This record gives sequence, C-alpha cells and structure tokens, in this order.
Amino acid sequence: GEDVEQSLFLSVREGDSSVINCTYTDSSSTYLYWYKQEPGAGLQLLTYIFSNMDMKQDQRLTVLLNKKDKHLSLRIADTQTGDSAIYFCAESSGGYQKVTFGTGTKLQVIP
Amino acid sequence: DTAVSQTPKYLVTQMGNDKSIKCEQNLGHDTMYWYKQDSKKFLKIMFSYNNKELIINETVPNRFSPKSPDKAHLNLHINSLELGDSAVYFCASSQGTTGELFFGEGSRLTVL
Repeated sequence: GEDVEQSLFLSVREGDSSVINCTYTDSSSTYLYWYKQEPGAGLQLLTYIFSNMDMKQDQRLTVLLNKKDKHLSLRIADTQTGDSAIYFCAESSGGYQKVTFGTGTKLQVIP
Repeated sequence: DTAVSQTPKYLVTQMGNDKSIKCEQNLGHDTMYWYKQDSKKFLKIMFSYNNKELIINETVPNRFSPKSPDKAHLNLHINSLELGDSAVYFCASSQGTTGELFFGEGSRLTVL
C-alpha cells in the first residue's frame, strides 16, 4: 500500500528558512500536497503540485518534487512564529481517490 | 460562514455507549470524507462518499457506520465505544480532479 514518511520534528530560528522533507512510495501519485495544521484546528491546504512538475513557488513557499526518488520538500522562506504548526505531506491519484497523509512534521519557530 | 462544520466539537463518553458525530458542508462539493487522527497526529482515512454513495471504506470496525442523507451531509455513528476509539475525527469535502480537501475543525472523542 501507499506509504508517506516525514521527519517528526524541525526547529528553526525566526527569519531563517525551513525545509520539510517527505518521501512517498506510490509511483502512480498524480498530486502531491502540503497541508498545515495549527493547534486545535483542522488541516488547511497550503499548496499542491502536479506530478509532471518539479517545482512550484507561491510567495514564501517553494515546493520541490523529485519524482525519480519520490521525494517532496517544502521550503518556507523567512520563517515566522505564525508558521509554527504541524505540516503534512500527502499524495493522491486525484479526483475522489484516497488522499494518503504523511506522519506530519512539527515545526517549531524560535523567536 | 463555516465551510465544513462538525458537531459536537468535544465528546466525552463511557465505554460501551453509542455516539454520533455530524458533518455538514456548504461548499457544494460532491465528495465527503471521515478521517481519524490519533494521539500521535497520524491521519487515516475511514470513509468517503461521492453523491451519497460509499466509495472508500477502509479497514474500519463495523461498529462505525457512516450515513449520508444528502451530498451536503455525512454523519458518523459509532456503536459500543472502546477506549481505542478516542481520537479526533475530521470531516472533509472535495470537488473536482485535484483532490484538494477542505477540513472541518474536528471532533475530539474521549472514551473513558
């Protein structure tokens, strides 16, 4: 079955860049996503990338996809204390196919 | 105006009881889901409905029964609650081909 792995924890200083990494196993993944979960809240989509792309930039967020290695990363530039949250990588084949989530990476931003 | 709303937000109950969680979305989406998030924050899909039809049914005990009276509502009924059912249950909806999920705020179930 599908498997999506992330490191559990990342700590960065305010103003630095954060890089959160993810590996997945399903070679038929069509869409790859990054979701953010703040304490006591549901997940919110930050960005997604189609599998035929290798990079997507959206303001402070940069997503890199290495399809050969099945590796996805999320870079947050100029990390702020408000970025402290759990970040989930996820993959699906699109439509109403099952979205499989990673284990989540807790990002701690130190002022 | 909340897009995906769940009730109740918190639920504390005794082992063996039966309880329900309700979900409504006002986004006009065709597909709705239930996810379970455990204490380690691991998120796992339980069920998915598309236009009131069950399309995903993961390996979930049959004590869990979803019901979709219409495409804007997806409820989750749990019979004979067990300690291991304690978790946060998230409802979500989606539309179109990208699979983007819109989540509710979660319902925290504690079984004593």
